Amino acid sequence: DTEVTQTPKHLVMGMTNKKSLKCEQHMGHRAMYWYKQKAKKPPELMFVYSYEKLSINESVPSRFSPECPNSSLLNLHLHALQPEDSALYLCASSQREGLAAYEQYFGPGTRLTVT
Amino acid sequence: SQQGEEDPQALSIQEGENATMNCSYKTSINNLQWYRQNSGRGLVHLILIRSNEREKHSGRLRVTLDTSKKSSSLLITASRAADTASYFCATPGGSYIPTFGRGTSLIVHP
Repeated sequence: DTEVTQTPKHLVMGMTNKKSLKCEQHMGHRAMYWYKQKAKKPPELMFVYSYEKLSINESVPSRFSPECPNSSLLNLHLHALQPEDSALYLCASSQREGLAAYEQYFGPGTRLTVT
Repeated sequence: SQQGEEDPQALSIQEGENATMNCSYKTSINNLQWYRQNSGRGLVHLILIRSNEREKHSGRLRVTLDTSKKSSSLLITASRAADTASYFCATPGGSYIPTFGRGTSLIVHP
């Protein structure tokens, strides 16, 4: 199974809502990533988890809160978002993080709209 | 921060033609990857080329890497309408996490 799944596919939320994005992989990968992608722009790295520990936080505002409950699951908790946070949120995984190059497997993304 | 820069930003061709897109980067790398993204979807890994390799093939794809010029090219031969997508090069950034260039938008007309 070389699939990364993400739920939900689409999410519309108000600025006062709390919601969560979910990502799952069963490839035994030990590195998982959250990216944010605006239209016609490249994906921008938000967080990296390596062996279920947060290893990189790219200065992301605290209204985004990642969580890695186990080696297969990655969540992104959202609270008090702004309209400019509307974007495609992509989850990815790879065998490991680090010097050796590993291809990343991406999920289909969650299209988030903040109203 | 973004390191790779793809060129051209947009490319429009007819089915059956070849498509070539280029990626230039600024600092030394140990590998470079190419990804494809269909509209509004996740990225799909195409090819990884290491710094000691000059050329790699995968089906209709050919990737070259010139470390002296800090550039790579992706050639898609005999293109199909299904190749319509955005193509990104990715080079190692901080902690060697792939960092994506701005991408080339390819449209293949049937």
